[in-house]
Amino acid sequence: NAGVTQTPKFRVLKTGQSMTLLCAQDMNHEYMYWYRQDPGMGLRLIHYSVGEGTTAKGEVPDGYNVSRLKKQNFLLGLESAAPSQTSVYFCASMETSAREQYFGPGTRLTVT
Amino acid sequence: GENVEQHPSTLSVQEGDSAVIKCTYSDSASNYFPWYKQELGKRPQLIIDIRSNVGEKKDQRIAVTLNKTAKHFSLHITETQPEDSAVYFCAASVSGNFNKFYFGSGTKLNVKP
Repeated sequence: NAGVTQTPKFRVLKTGQSMTLLCAQDMNHEYMYWYRQDPGMGLRLIHYSVGEGTTAKGEVPDGYNVSRLKKQNFLLGLESAAPSQTSVYFCASMETSAREQYFGPGTRLTVT
Repeated sequence: GENVEQHPSTLSVQEGDSAVIKCTYSDSASNYFPWYKQELGKRPQLIIDIRSNVGEKKDQRIAVTLNKTAKHFSLHITETQPEDSAVYFCAASVSGNFNKFYFGSGTKLNVKP
């Protein structure tokens, strides 16, 4: 039981490049989330999903897109990376409403 | 949307002392309040949570209190140990169909041996 995994762990992009971050969970959780973590700002919600085939915007969705084609996977895409997207990205999953969120190990992204 | 404020941003205590971290929230509909601990370079992990129908919850050295009227909740750590050193985040959520979580900005706790 791997829990929540994220791929890749580190990535350096140049401005304008695109990439996809993959989050996978093997706990059959309905809810999945993408957060970014910046120094002094806590965790901010980018997008989230309440079930397979559904996605919704969080606090800071601009510049990101997501897809949840399979229940166990939640993809975060950056179409045209900007230096302001340099951050640590965490994925999380949750079984049902108002329960513990399980976080992945994070992806450290640097955009130059 | 919800706004969660957390204080202090840093807290330094002597081993064995107590530590208190406070959070306020703005949305009266919020009804679930978890606390996460994040060690350096690691992922956040839940340490305790409380729901709006409860005023206090305790788990060994950790306790959380909730004041719905004042819209604030606090984390209390007693008999602190060096391994308690980490960043602590509070969060607020409205249970239901959407379950969006709003996090505080974090408190860096340093427990000095």
